[in-house]
Amino acid sequence: ETGVTQTPRHLVMGMTNKKSLKCEQHLGHNAMYWYKQSAKKPLELMFVYSLEERVENNSVPSRFSPECPNSSHLFLHLHTLQPEDSALYLCASSQARTGAKYEQYFGPGTRLTVT
Amino acid sequence: KQEVTQIPAALSVPEGENLVLNCSFTDSAIYNLQWFRQDPGKGLTSLLLIQSSQREQTSGRLNASLDKSSGRSTLYIAASQPGDSATYLCAVRPGAGGSYIPTFGRGTSLIVHP
Repeated sequence: ETGVTQTPRHLVMGMTNKKSLKCEQHLGHNAMYWYKQSAKKPLELMFVYSLEERVENNSVPSRFSPECPNSSHLFLHLHTLQPEDSALYLCASSQARTGAKYEQYFGPGTRLTVT
Repeated sequence: KQEVTQIPAALSVPEGENLVLNCSFTDSAIYNLQWFRQDPGKGLTSLLLIQSSQREQTSGRLNASLDKSSGRSTLYIAASQPGDSATYLCAVRPGAGGSYIPTFGRGTSLIVHP
């Protein structure tokens, strides 16, 4: 499989559940990103992992916790979510090193519904 | 703080028209600018990436230009087709010395009707 893959594609969970979103990239990139996309809002960066930099958006609640075990895999662990967390969660990857283009490639997204 | 604005927010045109989508940014010290397409409920697909030293990039019916000094980029779509219907987003990456994290615009929602 090529490109950036995300699983599951759709997820419905209750507010007391714990679930994880998975992202995998097959592009040889060394940076991975989580974005949240809510209806009629701009794309919101949540977390970035790379060899050069780790970035956390300070406005992201602690009920979202990222994990990046290696440069090809990225997880987003979810627990005690709220209905307003329902959104499309997008994963992206890029090369991140001096001289690189940093061109981002996105996965298909996970549509999350919190009931 | 970089701000990216896309105008218009929505556009509806008949098939065959040539289109111009606009992206403006407040800080001209950029590394590059990337245009994406997003179909409803799907991920983003990269269309074109323009480095700060470049003036334009072309791919098929798409042409993206960059005027760093005025903080503007345009995406030109020639001979539009119904299959071009999607949301188009631009993302600006900061220049050397800053984080490489891009700032996205809100997008232009395009409908091309037969």
